[in-house]
Amino acid sequence: GNSVTQMEGPVTLSEEAFLTINCTYTATGYPSLFWYVQYPGEGLQLLLKATKADDKGSNKGFEATYRKETTSFHLEKGSVQVSDSAVYFCALRRVSGGYNKLIFGAGTRLAVHP
Amino acid sequence: NAGVTQTPKFQVLKTGQSMTLQCAQDMNHEYMSWYRQDPGMGLRLIHYSVGAGITDQGEVPNGYNVSRSTTEDFPLRLLSAAPSQTSVYFCASSSLTGPYNEQFFGPGTRLTVL
Repeated sequence: GNSVTQMEGPVTLSEEAFLTINCTYTATGYPSLFWYVQYPGEGLQLLLKATKADDKGSNKGFEATYRKETTSFHLEKGSVQVSDSAVYFCALRRVSGGYNKLIFGAGTRLAVHP
Repeated sequence: NAGVTQTPKFQVLKTGQSMTLQCAQDMNHEYMSWYRQDPGMGLRLIHYSVGAGITDQGEVPNGYNVSRSTTEDFPLRLLSAAPSQTSVYFCASSSLTGPYNEQFFGPGTRLTVL
């Protein structure tokens, strides 16, 4: 079946450190892939997306590349800020059936300290 | 443009009580859905709707009912609350047209069942 696996958190970094949050997926066909971010006390917001192999999604200094050969979509940022502290969810959109069903990973909490 | 709104923000119920979580969107989106968020499990789809009068089950529908009488509103009903339904509930909506169908999330309802 379709599934998403993320690295467990929490991830704790100092400001300006490099961030990687790993995400791998299992799916039939060619799903679209997403990263959502959830700031404290808020709902999820779309951070970036990629719809086909080798696409690179980017937003707010974050990047992720759709790697079909390794079924991965790792999130990276070169220099994190305290304001990046949040929970990050990797998700895929199912290709067959069910319109807009997103399948989420468990989420990775990021804490950035000054 | 308020986006997706949810009420209440917090709720405490006793086992066996019933309640309705409200969700409304003002973006004229056809697709609306309910998720629950539990620690270590990401978001799981409860029910979804692709238009007024049309609803379907997601991954974890047991114990929940939905209806969609208008495009704007998609309430979630708990008929007899159980402690296992303690969770954070998110409503989301999206258009059914366009290549990416980004889902927009509400701020969530934190429910505790004693």
